Amino acid sequence: DTGVSQNPRHKITKRGQNVTFRCDPISEHNRLYWYRQTLGQGPEFLTYFQNEAQLEKSRLLSDRFSAERPKGSFSTLEIQRTEQGDSAMYLCASSDSLDGSYNEQFFGPGTRLTVL
Amino acid sequence: KNQVEQSPQSLIILEGKNCTLQCNYTVSPFSNLRWYKQDTGRGPVSLTIMTFSENTKSNGRYTATLDADTKQSSLHITASQLSDSASYICVVRQGGYNKLIFGAGTRLAVHP
Repeated sequence: DTGVSQNPRHKITKRGQNVTFRCDPISEHNRLYWYRQTLGQGPEFLTYFQNEAQLEKSRLLSDRFSAERPKGSFSTLEIQRTEQGDSAMYLCASSDSLDGSYNEQFFGPGTRLTVL
Repeated sequence: KNQVEQSPQSLIILEGKNCTLQCNYTVSPFSNLRWYKQDTGRGPVSLTIMTFSENTKSNGRYTATLDADTKQSSLHITASQLSDSASYICVVRQGGYNKLIFGAGTRLAVHP
């Protein structure tokens, strides 16, 4: 399967615990994005990488959130001291910067986080 | 403020019937507009993409229209199938930026 993959698919944690999600983009894609999606809403942008550089972060990305893409391939999103409001689907997407104006983002299946 | 609004919020139709979903946007400058289909518990999958100069684009039973003057788009689904049950999300890319602006989606349920 050459699509975007995310692990784990589901995560249940207790409030105050730390969680880490992983995203493996399409191999030739140099751009990687993280989004958060709550029930009944469209995805909200969190952050974006071009290769290993984190080029943009949303105001939604509080100090408890950190994302890395150390070698310009896979990425991790960590949430520290989780809160019930963090419960959401976390989506990863990747794209090819040479794709011109279309720059299609291909989405992974998401990681559903439930904070108890 | 750059926004994408979709209507209706949800829709129930019978299998075999047609339906039309609406999208209004205030994004400027405009680069392109996509319609995504998102099955429950899955990531969005692109159905169509339209740039400023395109008025209509089809992908099988899905036909998207774009009126760049009124900043409106629609997605028409013909001869609906049970597998069309999903959320349909309108997404606009702002010109010069790499970020996408998502609508909240229309949740479509196709009943037998």
